[in-house]
Amino acid sequence: KAGVTQTPRYLIKTRGQQVTLSCSPISGHRSVSWYQQTPGQGLQFLFEYFSETQRNKGNFPGRFSGRQFSNSRSEMNVSTLELGDSALYLCASSPGGDTDTQYFGPGTRLTVL
Amino acid sequence: AQSVAQPEDQVNVAEGNPLTVKCTYSVSGNPYLFWYVQYPNRGLQFLLKYITGDNLVKGSYGFEAEFNKSQTSFHLKKPSALVSDSALYFCAVRGHSGAGSYQLTFGKGTKLSVIP
Repeated sequence: KAGVTQTPRYLIKTRGQQVTLSCSPISGHRSVSWYQQTPGQGLQFLFEYFSETQRNKGNFPGRFSGRQFSNSRSEMNVSTLELGDSALYLCASSPGGDTDTQYFGPGTRLTVL
Repeated sequence: AQSVAQPEDQVNVAEGNPLTVKCTYSVSGNPYLFWYVQYPNRGLQFLLKYITGDNLVKGSYGFEAEFNKSQTSFHLKKPSALVSDSALYFCAVRGHSGAGSYQLTFGKGTKLSVIP
C-alpha cells in the first residue's frame, strides 16, 4: 500500500497570508490527524478527523482549521499567518480505532517570513 | 491530562553496545504507548506499541520496549546498536477515554547517536 502523502512538501509564505496543506491517507484509513512540530514546542496535536467529522481538537487558536472529504483526504488551513507558525506540519492516518497505529506522512515544511 | 517525559535529550552509545532510551508517562487509566523514530527532514516512522498483554513488546529493526506499570515507564531497548540507528526517538501515549482518546501526546524526543 502507498503511504501517507502530503502536499506541498515545502512552502514559503509571508505574515498575514493564509495557507492550505493537503494530506492523503493510506487507502482504507478513515482517520486523519494533524500535528505541528517545532524545535521549541516539539510535537503538538492539532486535530483529528474521522469520517468527515472532527473528533478531537488540540489547543490551537481558531486560525487553524481543517476538514476531511468523503474519500478521507484532509486539508488544514492556517489563516493570518504569524512568524511562529513556521513549523513542520505532519499528517497521520489510521483505520480509526483507539488502539490503531497512526502512520505519518513526510510532512510539509512551512516557513513564514 | 496525559503527558510523556523523555528525561534524556541525547544518548550516545558505541556501535555494538546495547542501547536504552527512557520514557515515563502519565495518563488516566490503562495507557496505550508508542515509539516512533524520525530521521532528518522526514516524518515519523512507527517502531512498536503496547496496548495490553506481555510487558515486553518487540518491534521493527530489532527494537523492543518494556512496559512497567508500577514505574509508569516504557523504555526502548536494542541489544546491539547500529550507526544507522542514529536518529530522533519519540515516545507517545494515547488515553482511551474522554477528549484525549484519539490524540497522541509526545515526549520532547531523545537524540540517539551511535558512535562507530
